[in-house]
Formats: sequence, C-alpha cells, structure tokens
Amino acid sequence: AQKVTQAQTEISVVEKEDVTLDCVYETRDTTYYLFWYKQPPSGELVFLIRRNSFDEQNEISGRYSWNFQKSTSSFNFTITASQVVDSAVYFCALSEARYGGATNKLIFGTGTLLAVQP
Amino acid sequence: DVKVTQSSRYLVKRTGEKVFLECVQDMDHENMFWYRQDPGLGLRLIYFSYDVKMKEKGDIPEGYSVSREKKERFSLILESASTNQTSMYLCASSLSASGSYEQYFGPGTRLTVT
Repeated sequence: AQKVTQAQTEISVVEKEDVTLDCVYETRDTTYYLFWYKQPPSGELVFLIRRNSFDEQNEISGRYSWNFQKSTSSFNFTITASQVVDSAVYFCALSEARYGGATNKLIFGTGTLLAVQP
Repeated sequence: DVKVTQSSRYLVKRTGEKVFLECVQDMDHENMFWYRQDPGLGLRLIYFSYDVKMKEKGDIPEGYSVSREKKERFSLILESASTNQTSMYLCASSLSASGSYEQYFGPGTRLTVT
C-alpha cells in the first residue's frame, strides 16, 4: 500500500534558524512523483515542488532545498534562515500509481505545522 | 496564473440540510478534486472527476455526491448534512490525469454543521 509519513506534527524555531521537515514514503511502484505543498494561515495550499522517481538530484530554490533519497524512501525539505512568513503547515504527497503508471491522485501526509518565532 | 475559486469561505448549515459546495477553475484543466481536511488526518480525497460528467470515488465518498456538468465547474453535494461532516473542504484541479502534474487548490470552505 502507498503511504506518506510526516512524523513531525509541530516544529517551532526562532527566525534565522535552519529547519528540516521530514517526509518518508512507501510505494512498490518504480514510477511515481513526490510533491511538497505549503498551507499558510489563509488556508490555500500552494504548490512548492514536484520530483519524479527517476531524478534524485537535490534541488535548491532560494532558501528552500529538497533532498530526495530513494535508498531511504525520503523526500526531506529544508528551509535555510527561516522567516516568520515561512510559518505554515507543510504537506508532502505521493502520486498514486495504478495500472503501471502514476496517476494524478495524491496521497498526502498528515502535515507538519511550522511556527517561526521572531 | 491558475485560479481555483470556491463559492464560500465559511458556511453554517443545520443537520439534515442539503448542502452544495461549488468550485470553478479557469485554466481548462481536465481533472478536478474534492478533499476534506481534518486535524491530524491530512487531506482525504472524497471524489474526483477526469472529464465532464465523469466522476470517480475517492477514499471517503460516503455521504457525498458530485456533479460536473461543465469542464470548469465541479460541485460537491452533501445530501443530508451531518455533524461529522463539519470540516474544511478543499477543491483542486490539474491539467490531466498524468501523475506528473501538480494540483492547484482553492482557498477552502470551512463548513460547520450544527
């Protein structure tokens, strides 16, 4: 069965600290996609990144970076020099596979609430 | 930019009422989704649609139905609202059924059933 686990329910850091949000997934498929979304207090989920199972290169976008490791089935998200505006719930998600291919149905983790204190 | 809009941000209904939640997207996306979000449970898929008049059950379809008469509009219907349907409802759309496409979300409707 496919599953996404975000073991950290809540994390609190002080501004300018680095923080890593963990994501561990389970799937038996060779083709899949992983996603991170941000949900600020306003409620709307915002897409951050997509990674396919064949691309293990790490990605950096400004203060955000993602570490994808198939060997440990993890897709961790690091925020460098955190800011108050980073305060949000962050969701990791896995595309569901069916009939040998990845579908657009997403399996979400339970989310990690990040609080960045000034 | 993709825009997904939902008819209400907040809604209060009584037990037994029929409730309609509307969602509209403006990017000609094929796929549309309805989720509910509850603390500690993440997002759970209720129904999705991959084409006009086509629908498929998600993980928790009981007590809900959907309608997609036009490509841009996807409605979630609570036939007889119950208090355990008090939740945040999120609509999303994506370009196609391929797993490589991200979903775009609306702002959500917080429904309270009393």
